[in-house]
Amino acid sequence: AQSVAQPEDQVNVAEGNPLTVKCTYSVSGNPYLFWYVQYPNRGLQFLLKYITGDNLVKGSYGFEAEFNKSQTSFHLKKPSALVSDSALYFCAVRDYSGTYKYIFGTGTRLKVLA
Amino acid sequence: ETGVTQTPRHLVMGMTNKKSLKCEQHLGHNAMYWYKQSAKKPLELMFVYNFKEQTENNSVPSRFSPECPNSSHLFLHLHTLQPEDSALYLCASTGGEGNQPQHFGDGTRLSIL
Repeated sequence: AQSVAQPEDQVNVAEGNPLTVKCTYSVSGNPYLFWYVQYPNRGLQFLLKYITGDNLVKGSYGFEAEFNKSQTSFHLKKPSALVSDSALYFCAVRDYSGTYKYIFGTGTRLKVLA
Repeated sequence: ETGVTQTPRHLVMGMTNKKSLKCEQHLGHNAMYWYKQSAKKPLELMFVYNFKEQTENNSVPSRFSPECPNSSHLFLHLHTLQPEDSALYLCASTGGEGNQPQHFGDGTRLSIL
């Protein structure tokens, strides 16, 4: 079965510093990987995805993610964090067992400190 | 505007009440999903519908009853709920061959008294 793991419950970073939110995956076959962000009292919003191609994927709001097949990782990154980036971040992998569904990590809370 | 609308946004009900959650999307998507999000727990997939047909029931108790009358609307009928059912219920939709992201509604915050 497909799975993703987010090893950090919370990440703190100073405003203006680079940020990394970690995700590792376990899949059979080629991985379809996604990052989402959730702000308080809102649903999840799509940030970016990796299907195939370049290992560095660029997404919304200046975020990017690096796909690393040998380390089975898909870490989310941003060169310069903003206070407004503070939110809950989810990594997800697509699964298929007769229907498409998406397996989510446990989420990482990002706090950007002014 | 996410393209997926959920109503109501908040719901407080007693354990003996019957209520329904509604989800609507006009994105032309063919698949719709119900998730339960509880504090400090992973996002739990409850049901999946594809072209109005239920394709996944993730061992959800029968006090939750989904309905998908067409590809744009999804309901979750609730009856005789338990306090542990208090959570944020999220609806999502997607189209294509699974290489497209899901679009989520803003959820219904459900509190069981």
